[in-house]
Amino acid sequence: NAGVTQTPKFRILKIGQSMTLQCTQDMNHNYMYWYRQDPGMGLKLIYYSVGAGITDKGEVPNGYNVSRSTTEDFPLRLELAAPSQTSVYFCASSYPEVLVLTFGAGSRLTVL
Amino acid sequence: AQTVTQSQPEMSVQEAETVTLSCTYDTSESDYYLFWYKQPPSRQMILVIRQEAYKQQNATENRFSVNFQKAAKSFSLKISDSQLGDAAMYFCAYRGTHYSGTYKYIFGTGTRLKVLA
Repeated sequence: NAGVTQTPKFRILKIGQSMTLQCTQDMNHNYMYWYRQDPGMGLKLIYYSVGAGITDKGEVPNGYNVSRSTTEDFPLRLELAAPSQTSVYFCASSYPEVLVLTFGAGSRLTVL
Repeated sequence: AQTVTQSQPEMSVQEAETVTLSCTYDTSESDYYLFWYKQPPSRQMILVIRQEAYKQQNATENRFSVNFQKAAKSFSLKISDSQLGDAAMYFCAYRGTHYSGTYKYIFGTGTRLKVLA
């Protein structure tokens, strides 16, 4: 029972590079979310998805893109990395009817 | 849009004592859910307690309890008999219901709790 798996755990990018943060869940959850957590701050919602093929913007979507082709996977794409995107990224999933949000372990991204 | 505010960036408590963390929120919805999550240094997010807005009774989980004041839009967390393992960042969170079609979890900025031996 893996839960929510995020890869990579750590990554250093140069300004302007692109990368994809992977998120996979094996609980058949409808809803998936991407958050970022800046040092000493709370979690800000980047994008979320209510099911395969459906995504919507959260509070801070600029500079990111997502897709949801399957129930299990919800990758987050950074097209042109900027220092402001240095953060810890969390993927999470849930059933809407179940009041439990299951988080991945987080991915620490540094943009230099 | 819903917002969640935690006005205490940091709190300290003596081991075995009681501490209360504050949270206020803003919403136009009448039914919703509120949560407290704990984030220890490991960075893992752990659900501490949750409260359904339609329930008047305050939720309790062992040493953790909430004071839910719906009219005041206040949702504080009380930790009794504080232990060293309670030291962590605590986040208050809000989620709407399927009636509103809002399943986003909105988090506050967190309160860092230090437990003094």
